[in-house]
Amino acid sequence: EAGVTQFPSHSVIEKGQTVTLRCDPISGHDNLYWYRRVMGKEIKFLLHFVKESKQDESGMPNNRFLAERTGGTYSTLKVQPAELEDSGVYFCASSPGRALYNEQFFGPGTRLTVL
Amino acid sequence: AQKVTQAQTEISVVEKEDVTLDCVYETRDTTYYLFWYKQPPSGELVFLIRRNSFDEQNEISGRYSWNFQKSTSSFNFTITASQVVDSAVYFCALSEWDFGNEKLTFGTGTRLTIIP
Repeated sequence: EAGVTQFPSHSVIEKGQTVTLRCDPISGHDNLYWYRRVMGKEIKFLLHFVKESKQDESGMPNNRFLAERTGGTYSTLKVQPAELEDSGVYFCASSPGRALYNEQFFGPGTRLTVL
Repeated sequence: AQKVTQAQTEISVVEKEDVTLDCVYETRDTTYYLFWYKQPPSGELVFLIRRNSFDEQNEISGRYSWNFQKSTSSFNFTITASQVVDSAVYFCALSEWDFGNEKLTFGTGTRLTIIP
């Protein structure tokens, strides 16, 4: 069974440009999460989808970030326009259920560098 | 607010030594879960263990063991007879129950280097 995949693995863009990150969760997993790790700090929650609905987007830093999950399958996270402080590693995770104890399966992350 | 503290930023030990990674958490919830994840050089986060707040029994899995103590809000991870393959960044995380939403609150991670 394929794990969580993310594309691209690395992205280098200039300040002011737009970048779209993609996440393909494990097939059948209704729950999809985005996290971000900036500059060796803690991994921080961004948002949570249940199928195509945004269940919790309390961690989104500002309105330059837009996440979508059309059809409840893969998800995209768009940053527009990108700023220097957006640099970091963006992780996607998925889980089969919404119970408190469900393990979240993580992808390898997308390393975003904004110059 | 929930918080997870991993005070050890980096640890280096010689192969075959034992090593303990510390994790201290803060939460007001009575129901919560604690996790450890391993991030090898390949980048993905690999699940190691989940422990619920009502189960304080220690757990052992091969060379790995975990010590959960609610009295000190700690969930420490010990690797016995370390191996080079154990070199990675290890994250402790807390799962909060917030109006039915689940999200993981992570610590800053501990980079473990096993010296051959």
